[in-house]
Amino acid sequence: NAGVTQTPKFQVLKTGQSMTLQCAQDMNHNSMYWYRQDPGMGLRLIYYSASEGTTDKGEVPNGYNVSRLNKREFSLRLESAAPSQTSVYFCASSPTSGGSPETQYFGPGTRLLVL
Amino acid sequence: LAKTTQPISMDSYEGQEVNITCSHNNIATNDYITWYQQFPSQGPRFIIQGYKTKVTNEVASLFIPADRKSSTLSLPRVSLSDTAVYYCLVGVPSSGSARQLTFGSGTQLTVLP
Repeated sequence: NAGVTQTPKFQVLKTGQSMTLQCAQDMNHNSMYWYRQDPGMGLRLIYYSASEGTTDKGEVPNGYNVSRLNKREFSLRLESAAPSQTSVYFCASSPTSGGSPETQYFGPGTRLLVL
Repeated sequence: LAKTTQPISMDSYEGQEVNITCSHNNIATNDYITWYQQFPSQGPRFIIQGYKTKVTNEVASLFIPADRKSSTLSLPRVSLSDTAVYYCLVGVPSSGSARQLTFGSGTQLTVLP
């Protein structure tokens, strides 16, 4: 099993450009999450999906949209990138449907630089 | 959104026991407390999880007092390879949804030879 995979690994954008970060998991997990991690800071939840077909906002959703394409895939879209969105983005999945306890499995991250 | 706070950094020597505390005074009633380890350029990795009292696994112990407003991750006999950032994760009540997941700010543990 590959676990949680993310593409691309690294991306440079110009202000105003759009892009989609892809995430896929092969563990048949119900929940999927998108976090951002800024230098020297912890992880902040952007959006999550407790099951296929549902999405909910996290702590910092502004400037992002998500799509739970199917049970395996959860994408994060930046419609008009801003320098403040320069960050490392992590996708995670969990076998539960949003309840506790849950164990999240993280991908390797996508490093995004917005100029 | 209530903050989840941890010490910014800690130093230890090989073979010592390390205790890292996380304060989460607004934890959701039914929520568990989970701790993760993160190495540079990698995603966080699950270490241990608990709801109350004490939980132990092959790598760590987790102590949770009765009021559940804090938790302490205990790493026995640390080695150089335990140098990493450690995060606690809890759910807190939120108006927009049943609960909002909140990571602590992270504690950089440096193990010295």
